[in-house]
Amino acid sequence: SQQGEEDPQALSIQEGENATMNCSYKTSINNLQWYRQNSGRGLVHLILIRSNEREKHSGRLRVTLDTSKKSSSLLITASRAADTASYFCATDDSNYQLIWGAGTKLIIKP
Amino acid sequence: DTAVSQTPKYLVTQMGNDKSIKCEQNLGHDTMYWYKQDSKKFLKIMFSYNNKELIINETVPNRFSPKSPDKAHLNLHINSLELGDSAVYFCASSQVLGGEAFFGQGTRLTVV
Repeated sequence: SQQGEEDPQALSIQEGENATMNCSYKTSINNLQWYRQNSGRGLVHLILIRSNEREKHSGRLRVTLDTSKKSSSLLITASRAADTASYFCATDDSNYQLIWGAGTKLIIKP
Repeated sequence: DTAVSQTPKYLVTQMGNDKSIKCEQNLGHDTMYWYKQDSKKFLKIMFSYNNKELIINETVPNRFSPKSPDKAHLNLHINSLELGDSAVYFCASSQVLGGEAFFGQGTRLTVV
């Protein structure tokens, strides 16, 4: 089955800087979602972007989708310590089942 | 109120035992899921339930069985536990299959 792959696996930046994470996938999709997971907690939905959309914003989050390259990026602007978490992308397969990447671990240094 | 709640949060048990993890959602969603997250944080879908009907069943061992007494509940039963079953198990729900998912806090299962 297809699998999203996040890049980088880990990212450490200073508070206030922007953080960019990438996700690549293998087959055609209906939508792509980004989730955040704080240590020891469940996943929290951030943004869903449909295959006919190219960019979407939510607060300090900006998601882009390039279906020709089968890739998406998540940009977090003006990062805060509370943004420290793992970030996952998920794509749906032909059965609408979500397939997940291994995640990017983001650390925001104060 | 917690949208998706699962119990217990921690479960330590011996090999060969049978255990259950409970999950309830109060969002009125039609679809519920069970995921397994391994030590490398990789998430794998185990089961999806839509309106009490199992619609996707991944290639998980038949020692694992989901049971849904009603639309708001999806429990996970595991028989003859093995060391490799140690992981964090997440319950989730969504309004539609493949849509925005709401996750429980996870159950950390340790088999000794």
